[in-house]
Order: sequence, then C-alpha cells, then structure tokens
Amino acid sequence: DTEVTQTPKHLVMGMTNKKSLKCEQHMGHRAMYWYKQKAKKPPELMFVYSYEKLSINESVPSRFSPECPNSSLLNLHLHALQPEDSALYLCASAREGYEQYFGPGTRLTVT
Amino acid sequence: AQSVAQPEDQVNVAEGNPLTVKCTYSVSGNPYLFWYVQYPNRGLQFLLKYITGDNLVKGSYGFEAEFNKSQTSFHLKKPSALVSDSALYFCAVMGRRALTFGSGTRLQVQP
Repeated sequence: DTEVTQTPKHLVMGMTNKKSLKCEQHMGHRAMYWYKQKAKKPPELMFVYSYEKLSINESVPSRFSPECPNSSLLNLHLHALQPEDSALYLCASAREGYEQYFGPGTRLTVT
Repeated sequence: AQSVAQPEDQVNVAEGNPLTVKCTYSVSGNPYLFWYVQYPNRGLQFLLKYITGDNLVKGSYGFEAEFNKSQTSFHLKKPSALVSDSALYFCAVMGRRALTFGSGTRLQVQP
C-alpha cells in the first residue's frame, strides 16, 4: 500500500477562521512533509518531520502551524490566513532518503 | 545547493511517437534524481528514480529515464506516447532531506 490520504479535499475559509488539514499514511514511513503548490508551479517545501520531530521549517509564516501527533498522522493548523495562501497543499511521506509518496492534496481557498 | 532545470515549459508529441522530457541537474556529490507526474487537481505520482547503478532506469507506465553524468542530464523518455500521458511532469533532486523540484514541463499528446 503506497497510499497517502488527505482530508478535506477542498476547503474554503475566511481570513479569521481556524481550520486544520489532515494527512495519514500507513507505510511505516518516518519522514513526512508539507508542500504548498500554486497553479502550474512546482511544489514548495514548507515543513519536514522526521521521527515525529520537526526537522525543517522553510521560514513559513506562523499562521501555518504543523503538528505530528504520531508516526502515521500529520496535521497543518491554519489561522488568520491571507488570500495569497490559497493553493493546493500536498502531504508526502518517505523512508528517509528515498522517494516521496504524495497524497491527492487539499485545495484551499481563502476568502 | 542541489537544483534541477527543465528547459521546456511544454512538449507536444503525436500519439504513438516517442517522447522526451528534458531535465538537467546541478549537485555536489552523487545525485539522487526522480521523476514525478501530476494530473490536473491531483497529487504527484512517483514514476522512477536514479540512485546508482544502470544509467537507464525503467519506471511506471512504460516510462524510462537516461542518466548522463557527462551532460548532467536525466531525460524522461517513452517509446510510444499515449493521449493519457498528457500531464505535468516534474524532475526532482534529493536535497537536505527533501526534494527540490524543477519548474515542470507540460506534456501534450495529440491524438
């Protein structure tokens, strides 16, 4: 099973809302990632978790807050977002140093 | 810093003809190179990787890639294109614990 699941598929939120994106994998991967992708652009790395600890934060604004409750789950908490944060948010997992497997993404629209 | 470049924004090919999507890399040390495909409003799907070994790497859906150290290239190829191959293709290199993607190439296969 090489599946990474993400919920919700679509999310519309106002700039004052608080919401969370969820990601789950059951491949035993110990590295998990959040990427942001704008239309027709490559994914941009946001965060990397390794063995449930945050190992890379690519200078992401604090209105994005990641969380890794256990080795299978990864959350991204959203608060006070801006319209320019509208994008496809992709989760991925990997055995460290190997290919990453991506979820289908959450299409976020900030109004 | 590790980087990859995809010089073509779009590649057009007729169904049944061979296709090539170009990628060049710039790395210090041995490169770990990957190809991913993305269909509209979907996550990225892993196609193939080069870590070490044979310069011709075979992957999913009939795709293959040729690693050329002297030309620092890792071009994606397929002997006979299908209309269903039309998608956005990303070359990537493993950086410090995460992937760095090229800008992407849109492949359009005409019937």
